[in-house]
Amino acid sequence: EVQLVQSGAEVKKPGESLRISCKTSGYKFTNYWIGWVRQMPGKGLEWMGIIDPGDSDTRYSPSFQGQVTISVDKSISAAYLQWSSLRASDTAMYFCARRGYVAGVVFVDYWGQGTLVTVSS
Amino acid sequence: EIVLTQSPGTLSLSPGERATLSCRASQSTYTRYLAWYQQKPGQAPTLLIYGASTRASGIPDRFSGSGSETDFTLTISRLEPEDFAVYYCLHYASTPSFTFGPGTKVDIK
Repeated sequence: EVQLVQSGAEVKKPGESLRISCKTSGYKFTNYWIGWVRQMPGKGLEWMGIIDPGDSDTRYSPSFQGQVTISVDKSISAAYLQWSSLRASDTAMYFCARRGYVAGVVFVDYWGQGTLVTVSS
Repeated sequence: EIVLTQSPGTLSLSPGERATLSCRASQSTYTRYLAWYQQKPGQAPTLLIYGASTRASGIPDRFSGSGSETDFTLTISRLEPEDFAVYYCLHYASTPSFTFGPGTKVDIK
């Protein structure tokens, strides 16, 4: 069974750093790209970026380029989303998501349960 | 980059009614790159439809997807109480990246 299990909720102060995780199981980690999605309170879904766990090739959406870092640890089949200096505007729910494909059809097939990040002084 | 527009923003209907949700792409795209998701409060999205018209595993047949090029539709033939939620379309760009539509909220009239 494919599972994406995210780390727990975080409460941080502006300027602090943070790394949240997405631990995967039930499939070959390096065969599927993993992405991250932001959902600000009461708002829609925003695609942040995606990484190929095989070679760490990473693509960021323009709005998130330079704002976050996406990485993986192949040895434990985990993906990460990292901030070096949080802002109040980073307060949101963050989801990891697996890029699936079937006969040339591409979509997001599995999601993590979400990690709520609250940034407040 | 393709931009997705969803309409209406909110759809107020009663259980048993038919819901028709639209997703329009700013330029023509392949059906194999268009998917639909349902999201309920406090939950991760759930995959409903991929490849514009293929139901995901375990999704009831009251959900159907159609469309091509720039115009795509999600239809819920008869709304059940558990169907009141927000629905998003998602497009895959071969950069590789994805783009979400802004969502349609289906609420109880």
